[in-house]
Amino acid sequence: EVQLLQSGGGLAQPGGSLRLSCAASGFTFGNFAMSWVRQAPGKRLEWVSAISNKGDSTYYTDSVKGRFTFSRDNSKNTLFLQMNNLRAEDTAIYFCAKAPRISCTGAFCYSLDYWGQGSLVTVSS
Amino acid sequence: DIQMTQSPSTLSASVGDRVTITCRASQSISSWLAWYQQKPGKAPKLLIDKASSLQSGVPSRFSGSGSGTEFTLTISSLQPDDFGTYYCQQYYTYVTFGQGTKVEIK
Repeated sequence: EVQLLQSGGGLAQPGGSLRLSCAASGFTFGNFAMSWVRQAPGKRLEWVSAISNKGDSTYYTDSVKGRFTFSRDNSKNTLFLQMNNLRAEDTAIYFCAKAPRISCTGAFCYSLDYWGQGSLVTVSS
Repeated sequence: DIQMTQSPSTLSASVGDRVTITCRASQSISSWLAWYQQKPGKAPKLLIDKASSLQSGVPSRFSGSGSGTEFTLTISSLQPDDFGTYYCQQYYTYVTFGQGTKVEIK
């Protein structure tokens, strides 16, 4: 059974940092791309970041470029999202999600077939 | 960016009703579209991929159709467990989601 177990998140002040983790099991982790998707209160889902199966290719939505870093440790079946210089508009539930492919091919990407339970990130003073 | 627009935003229907949700893309995405169901406080669940491919374990009352810029998700006979918010997602050019359609049971 595929499982994505998230940890991290919480409350941070504007300009602060948080790190999210996502531990995967039930599939060959190193064979699949992964993504982070967030959902602000009352808003639609937003694709935030993606990483290829080997971790050698990453994508970031414009609003988080230079502030967020997505990495993976294939030896530990774990993802990490380091979020720095947080802003109020980063407040959302963050989901890690598995792709059915190894990576995007150029801009052609993928659906997301399994999701973590979500981690709440609140940025407020 | 490719914009995804769903209609309606909310619908209320009775058990047994046929329900249709529409998703329109701002440009052609071929058949590179997925549908998700999200229940309150839970993660989205993939229902349909490549516009019409039903995921394993998803009830056959769910179906998807369309290509290019217009797509539909149909629930042939609405069941009590089908409440929630449904999202379309394109992946032809990166990934973007529709704004969601909330389905309520009358």
